[in-house]
Amino acid sequence: AQSVSQHNHHVILSEAASLELGCNYSYGGTVNLFWYVQYPGQHLQLLLKYFSGDPLVKGIKGFEAEFIKSKFSFNLRKPSVQWSDTAEYFCASRSYNTDKLIFGTGTRLQVFP
Amino acid sequence: DVKVTQSSRYLVKRTGEKVFLECVQDMDHENMFWYRQDPGLGLRLIYFSYDVKMKEKGDIPEGYSVSREKKERFSLILESASTNQTSMYLCASRVEGGTDTQYFGPGTRLTVL
Repeated sequence: AQSVSQHNHHVILSEAASLELGCNYSYGGTVNLFWYVQYPGQHLQLLLKYFSGDPLVKGIKGFEAEFIKSKFSFNLRKPSVQWSDTAEYFCASRSYNTDKLIFGTGTRLQVFP
Repeated sequence: DVKVTQSSRYLVKRTGEKVFLECVQDMDHENMFWYRQDPGLGLRLIYFSYDVKMKEKGDIPEGYSVSREKKERFSLILESASTNQTSMYLCASRVEGGTDTQYFGPGTRLTVL
């Protein structure tokens, strides 16, 4: 079955540190890939998405992700995190065969001033 | 502005009670979804609906049913609530086609005693 893996369950960083959150997907065909973020007490919202074209995708708030097909990966990056980036981050994939999103288990990021 | 609302932020019910969770979207979206979010498990799809009166089981439909009588409203029903249904329930909607973003509601935290 199609799956999404996020290996970092809990990440703790200081402000200004660089961030990379791992995401691997299992489906070998064409996929749409997403990163969603859930700030404390807020709705889950889209951070960025990849459908086709440039494998380096830029999202809101300075985040970016790189689609590497050969590695089945879509890692999220930010060069310098802020305290306000404290949140839970979910990677998700969707294949053209279904309309469903498959979510990873999430990564909780804590950024300390 | 895009809006998905859920009838309650917090709900406490007793085992065996029938529970209704309501979701309303104001974006004229065809597709609507119900997920449950549990720590360490991410988001899991319970049911989704392509359009009015259409529904399809997700990955964990057991113990749940849904109703979509109007385009803007998607209800999740727990026929006989059990303690293992204590969870955060998220509703989402999306324009038909599957490539577009899912917009999420604020969630309902349900506790079954």
